[in-house]
Amino acid sequence: QQQVKQSPQSLIVQKGGIPIINCAYENTAFDYFPWYQQFPGKGPALLIAIRPDVSEKKEGRFTISFNKSAKQFSLHIMDSQPGDSATYFCAASWVLTGGGNKLTFGTGTQLKVEL
Amino acid sequence: NAGVTQTPKFRVLKTGQSMTLLCAQDMNHEYMYWYRQDPGMGLRLIHYSVGEGTTAKGEVPDGYNVSRLKKQNFLLGLESAAPSQTSVYFCASSPQGISYEQYFGPGTRLTVT
Repeated sequence: QQQVKQSPQSLIVQKGGIPIINCAYENTAFDYFPWYQQFPGKGPALLIAIRPDVSEKKEGRFTISFNKSAKQFSLHIMDSQPGDSATYFCAASWVLTGGGNKLTFGTGTQLKVEL
Repeated sequence: NAGVTQTPKFRVLKTGQSMTLLCAQDMNHEYMYWYRQDPGMGLRLIHYSVGEGTTAKGEVPDGYNVSRLKKQNFLLGLESAAPSQTSVYFCASSPQGISYEQYFGPGTRLTVT
């Protein structure tokens, strides 16, 4: 099963708050777990990614927490800003035959950061 | 360096019409992908290519065809458009190596009436 389940569907936080977006997967063959950020009218862009043998990764204000035994991972945004308002997609990656990676995306979380 | 570009940005088709979406990348990436994005469903892979002259089916290939005659271009064709193909289509590319990092184009919004 290649599904990735994402929650919540939408999230509103105050400036400076810490929104948390959660994802769960089933297939243990995934080799990377990236997060993509999408602004209205634009294509998704890679934000941060983690390997399944690492429990946490931080890049600036963005942190991924990974729980391999529970098959869950989450994105935390520290000190959130109005400019972080976007749709966030978790994904799981696995290697395709012949090269390249297939990304299975979650259904997305629409985040709004209010002043 | 334009990255990934898509043509056209918007299109309205009538049921049964055909069209081709063009994707071009100038990053010399080996791998290219076509996705569709529908509300509440995330992005789903339609077709992909692991190199010039190669194509393969993704999760939702029915009703679409693709071609990659040149490394930098990946074309998505709809032979007989259906209302169910109303969606936003994204092309992406990735280099060899860190290919979970895919670079997306700005999208094409297609409406089939």
